[in-house]
Amino acid sequence: DAGVIQSPRHEVTEMGQEVTLRCKPISGHDYLFWYRQTMMRGLELLIYFNNNVPIDDSGMPEDRFSAKMPNASFSTLKIQPSEPRDSAVYFCASSLPGANVLTFGAGSRLTVL
Amino acid sequence: GIQVEQSPPDLILQEGANSTLRCNFSDSVNNLQWFHQNPWGQLINLFYIPSGTKQNGRLSATTVATERYSLLYISSSQTTDSGVYFCAVPRSGGSYIPTFGRGTSLIVHP
Repeated sequence: DAGVIQSPRHEVTEMGQEVTLRCKPISGHDYLFWYRQTMMRGLELLIYFNNNVPIDDSGMPEDRFSAKMPNASFSTLKIQPSEPRDSAVYFCASSLPGANVLTFGAGSRLTVL
Repeated sequence: GIQVEQSPPDLILQEGANSTLRCNFSDSVNNLQWFHQNPWGQLINLFYIPSGTKQNGRLSATTVATERYSLLYISSSQTTDSGVYFCAVPRSGGSYIPTFGRGTSLIVHP
């Protein structure tokens, strides 16, 4: 298996632009998580899905953030409009039932100027 | 929610030394994971260890659930062990969804 695949690896954009981050989980994993990592806040959970259904989005910082999982092999995290404080590394992770063992993607480093 | 604290926050070792990293948590847990984030940012799952002891090569982990702590042992450290080590526990009782500690940053010098 190729593992969890994220794209893009790096994104530099200007304030106000729309940003879309993408994730392909490991086949057969039915949990998908989006985490954000910053120096100030560490690793924080934004949202997670079970069987393509969003279960808890309480970690999504604002209405500017949205996430979808249209099928078992694809998820997106969208920021519109982006702001400099959104600069961070965004990780996608997937797991089998019970979330016992998370497998992370390589992350998407976002810089908003 | 369950609070997780890791210590020490920073650790510097010479190659070949042994070390112990600690993770304390505020309530009983049904899930505990240790991760290593390498200097390139990749997060790798090291152990799933809600209780007991596991070993994988030079690394081992022990979780004493009744006393609410877990330890990660690194023996004969190598420069490739450098990075940040995270402990993750469920964010609340009965949940499986992991929340992460702030990590221990380890630097191993040759």
